[in-house]
Amino acid sequence: GAGVSQSPRYKVTKRGQDVALRCDPISGHVSLYWYRQALGQGPEFLTYFNYEAQQDKSGLPNDRFSAERPEGSISTLTIQRTEQRDSAMYRCASSPLDSEAFFGQGTRLTVV
Amino acid sequence: QKEVEQNSGPLSVPEGAIASLNCTYSDRVSQSFFWYRQYSGKSPELIMSIYSNGDKEDGRFTAQLNKASQYVSLLIRDSQPSDSATYLCAVKKDSSYKLIFGSGTRLLVRP
Repeated sequence: GAGVSQSPRYKVTKRGQDVALRCDPISGHVSLYWYRQALGQGPEFLTYFNYEAQQDKSGLPNDRFSAERPEGSISTLTIQRTEQRDSAMYRCASSPLDSEAFFGQGTRLTVV
Repeated sequence: QKEVEQNSGPLSVPEGAIASLNCTYSDRVSQSFFWYRQYSGKSPELIMSIYSNGDKEDGRFTAQLNKASQYVSLLIRDSQPSDSATYLCAVKKDSSYKLIFGSGTRLLVRP
């Protein structure tokens, strides 16, 4: 595709359920980032991949959050046992190495 | 201390004026600097990148970088109401490092 694609666009889940958010980066982009963005705030770093290697996961809030990018392309961010405080916009961005990052439309997660 | 700091605003300027948006960063070895624009309810959109000290101009936008002062700014000339948005500063230390964002400055251009 032409841009970064995230799915689903909206996800409503019950507290305690697991959710998986998908990011399909721009073809050929080496780097892939996951962010979480609260209303009125800048994107908060969660984790970052170069190819399939998870270079940095220091922003993941706790061990309920995990991410993978097994073939160096599509990435999945998984949140286990969701809590209401996990409700947010989750954004994915991709970039060529050493270059600008481009964002997808985001996934709005609501935990009820 | 936050890694990337921006004044949250709002910064209000009249149409046609120059809007000046500022950003400071804490890590002296940072190498790459970016400005994103984010309209309400939309995703951040890249508008400028700058990698070396000095000014970089692109149309009505000028990015300025001063690594000694750990300061990067964005000037918008001839501001238009359509420039009203939140402007995010982002910093990357090197190719193997994460891209870190500030909390953004809200710009309001009054007609």
